[in-house]
Amino acid sequence: RKEVEQDPGPFNVPEGATVAFNCTYSNSASQSFFWYRQDCRKEPKLLMSVYSSGNEDGRFTAQLNRASQYISLLIRDSKLSDSATYLCVASGGSYIPTFGRGTSLIVHP
Amino acid sequence: GAGVSQSPSNKVTEKGKDVELRCDPISGHTALYWYRQRLGQGLEFLIYFQGNSAPDKSGLPSDRFSAERTGESVSTLTIQRTQQEDSAVYLCASSLVGGGAADTQYFGPGTRLTVL
Repeated sequence: RKEVEQDPGPFNVPEGATVAFNCTYSNSASQSFFWYRQDCRKEPKLLMSVYSSGNEDGRFTAQLNRASQYISLLIRDSKLSDSATYLCVASGGSYIPTFGRGTSLIVHP
Repeated sequence: GAGVSQSPSNKVTEKGKDVELRCDPISGHTALYWYRQRLGQGLEFLIYFQGNSAPDKSGLPSDRFSAERTGESVSTLTIQRTQQEDSAVYLCASSLVGGGAADTQYFGPGTRLTVL
């Protein structure tokens, strides 16, 4: 079983829609969580960290549920430029931050 | 400031040849990671450096792969006797602390390796 699992999608949504992704992690020792964004043929870049209390950055909201061992990313008012792959990361259970395989989002006009 | 840089950006080689990929991390970053990403796939962890030591080499796919880091700075990933299945983008990332700490990884632009 993969340590971090994500629905690969693609999620195909119209501009302006709200879309949510979940990511589950198996290592209960994980302490820190992140969402990265990866554009086609580019390197991953940090989108936001995920705090226990949840956090919001503009149209993006991240939540952590330790009891159920999942994190979520909510994108409101989707833009065409949000089209990308979103990678979930769990860290702290070992030396190595563990990446999920990513969820593909396509926002269409 | 300068981010993580990698060279070359693209490398085309013939099967059986050796290749060397270079990563220059952000200055002062203790931790350095190598990943492989095949087309349409997720990140595959290869090796992690804490300073110049590699406490975790578990991801190296075979003994044809090796890596080193010197001066707690530059790292090189060497692939000997390349095979076609080695074709992928090789990504390097660095972070300030590593060791399981909650610090952000910063990625380089990657080296796209094509083995003919």
